[in-house]
Amino acid sequence: QVQLVESGGGLVKPGGSLRLSCAASGFTLSDYYMSWIRQAPGKGLEWVSYISSSGTTIYYADSVKGRFTISRDNAKNSMYLQMSSLRAEDTAVYYCAREPGGSLSWDYWGQGTLVTVSS
Amino acid sequence: EIVLTQSPGTLSLSPGEGGTLSCRASQSVISGRLAWYQQKPGQAPRLLIYGASTRATGIPDRFSGSGSGTDFTLTITRLEPEDFAVYYCHHYDTSFTFGPGTKVDIK
Repeated sequence: QVQLVESGGGLVKPGGSLRLSCAASGFTLSDYYMSWIRQAPGKGLEWVSYISSSGTTIYYADSVKGRFTISRDNAKNSMYLQMSSLRAEDTAVYYCAREPGGSLSWDYWGQGTLVTVSS
Repeated sequence: EIVLTQSPGTLSLSPGEGGTLSCRASQSVISGRLAWYQQKPGQAPRLLIYGASTRATGIPDRFSGSGSGTDFTLTITRLEPEDFAVYYCHHYDTSFTFGPGTKVDIK
């Protein structure tokens, strides 16, 4: 069955870095666009970044542009989010989600990984 | 940038009742880019509706979506206990945008 499993979250100090991973199974990752979406504690959903199936097209939310880098390795069935210059407001559960090509919606989500930015 | 507003903030209903959730866009949007998600506490969101009115795989027919232009609606008929959750609308334009959510709780 389709599974997305995030990892790499944890506690990091302001200004620090962290790399999140999203491991995909049960489907061919290279067939799907992927995104990272986050949710601050008790808050709503915020889209963070998008990467096309081949990795050639990438978008970022303004709130993370220049600090976060999305990437993927289809051969390893994995997607990544390199986060740097982290701020307290980046504290959130980070979800990876897949988008069937052109649907502009996410049909499967991981369970999320918590990133806490605090001194 | 398009802003999505959802109303009401909270909708209190009893099991078996029906309810209507609203999502309003700050400007006219393409219906094919409007989706609805359900999120229960401690869980990831689940896709309910995409293209404004198409149910996602496995979604029961008590959920339906409609609307066009700036006004979109998610209708839930005959609420089941598992339907009490937060519902988000979502749209893609130059960016991916979520509404603030409507919480459906038990009256």
